[in-house]
Amino acid sequence: AQSVTQPDIHITVSEGASLELRCNYSYGATPYLFWYVQSPGQGLQLLLKYFSGDTLVQGIKGFEAEFKRSQSSFNLRKPSVHWSDAAEYFCAVGAGGNKLVFGAGTILRVKS
Amino acid sequence: DTAVSQTPKYLVTQMGNDKSIKCEQNLGHDTMYWYKQDSKKFLKIMFSYNNKELIINETVPNRFSPKSPDKAHLNLHINSLELGDSAVYFCASSPLGGGRQETQYFGPGTRLLVL
Repeated sequence: AQSVTQPDIHITVSEGASLELRCNYSYGATPYLFWYVQSPGQGLQLLLKYFSGDTLVQGIKGFEAEFKRSQSSFNLRKPSVHWSDAAEYFCAVGAGGNKLVFGAGTILRVKS
Repeated sequence: DTAVSQTPKYLVTQMGNDKSIKCEQNLGHDTMYWYKQDSKKFLKIMFSYNNKELIINETVPNRFSPKSPDKAHLNLHINSLELGDSAVYFCASSPLGGGRQETQYFGPGTRLLVL
């Protein structure tokens, strides 16, 4: 069965520091991968997605993610974190039939 | 100009009551979804509808009944509410649906608390 693992429940980074959020997936075929962000009390906003092609994908708000098939990973990165990036981040894999399977989320805290 | 909207935003009710959550999308999409986010923030799909036809029906108690009057609306009716139904319910939509993976666009969520 398809699954997504986000190993880090919480991550704290200093403002201006770089960020990497980890995501590992389990899926038999070519995966469709997504990162969403949820700010407190808000809905889910799509940051970026990977369907095919270039394995390094750019998203909104300065985020990028790299698909590594050999590691079954799709880690999210940002070179310099802003306080407004504090939120919960969800990785998801398309599980066929337009069904998304989500990871448990990683809460990002930004300290000034 | 909200793309996917849900009402109400908050819902507090007693056990045993029946309640509905409404979802509307103005993106012209053919497919709509309901997801449940539990207290541990775990998101799981419940249903999806394509052009008013039920496509995905996960293992959900039959107290939950989705209804799609047209392709722009997908409502969720819950009978005999239980404490465990307390969660955030997200509606989403995608352009076409069917077997091909698409990007899903989410609403702001409805926070349901059952007392």
